[in-house]
Amino acid sequence: RKEVEQDPGPFNVPEGATVAFNCTYSNSASQSFFWYRQDCRKEPKLLMSVYSSGNEDGRFTAQLNRASQYISLLIRDSKLSDSATYLCVVIAGGATNKLIFGTGTLLAVQP
Amino acid sequence: DAGVIQSPRHEVTEMGQEVTLRCKPISGHNSLFWYRQTMMRGLELLIYFNNNVPIDDSGMPEDRFSAKMPNASFSTLKIQPSEPRDSAVYFCASSFQNGGAYFGPGTRLTVT
Repeated sequence: RKEVEQDPGPFNVPEGATVAFNCTYSNSASQSFFWYRQDCRKEPKLLMSVYSSGNEDGRFTAQLNRASQYISLLIRDSKLSDSATYLCVVIAGGATNKLIFGTGTLLAVQP
Repeated sequence: DAGVIQSPRHEVTEMGQEVTLRCKPISGHNSLFWYRQTMMRGLELLIYFNNNVPIDDSGMPEDRFSAKMPNASFSTLKIQPSEPRDSAVYFCASSFQNGGAYFGPGTRLTVT
């Protein structure tokens, strides 16, 4: 089983739609969680951290479910500019701060 | 802050040549990561450093790859000798404590 798993997509949605991505992780000792965004031929960019209490940044909401070992990202009122690959990232537990990336979910927002 | 700086941005070389990739992390960050990305394998962690010390190099493909971090503001990833299957985008990233990592723009390596 992979340490971090995501549905690769693609998710094709119309502008204005709400879309949700899920990601599961295998190490129950994992401590920190993030969502990254990567545009074609660009570097991954930190989108937001994910906290147990959930956090919101504008149209984006991230949530963590430690019991089920998954994190989610919700995008409301999707824009054309949201089209990208969204990567789930987990920091392994213990003394390490090794960042483990999922394979990413491709989102294509259609006009 | 200029962010993570990588050089060169593009490198084209012939099989068997030595390749050196360079990275300057964000000032104050204490962790540095080298990743490789290809269409087939996605984003792979090669090695990471904490306070200039290599912590986990289990992702380094083989002895042809080596990485150093002589000080807090500089790291290199060397491939010697290079092979066509090393062609990929190599990213350097840095972070502070358990925060998210910030990536450099990457080096696009082509080995012919």
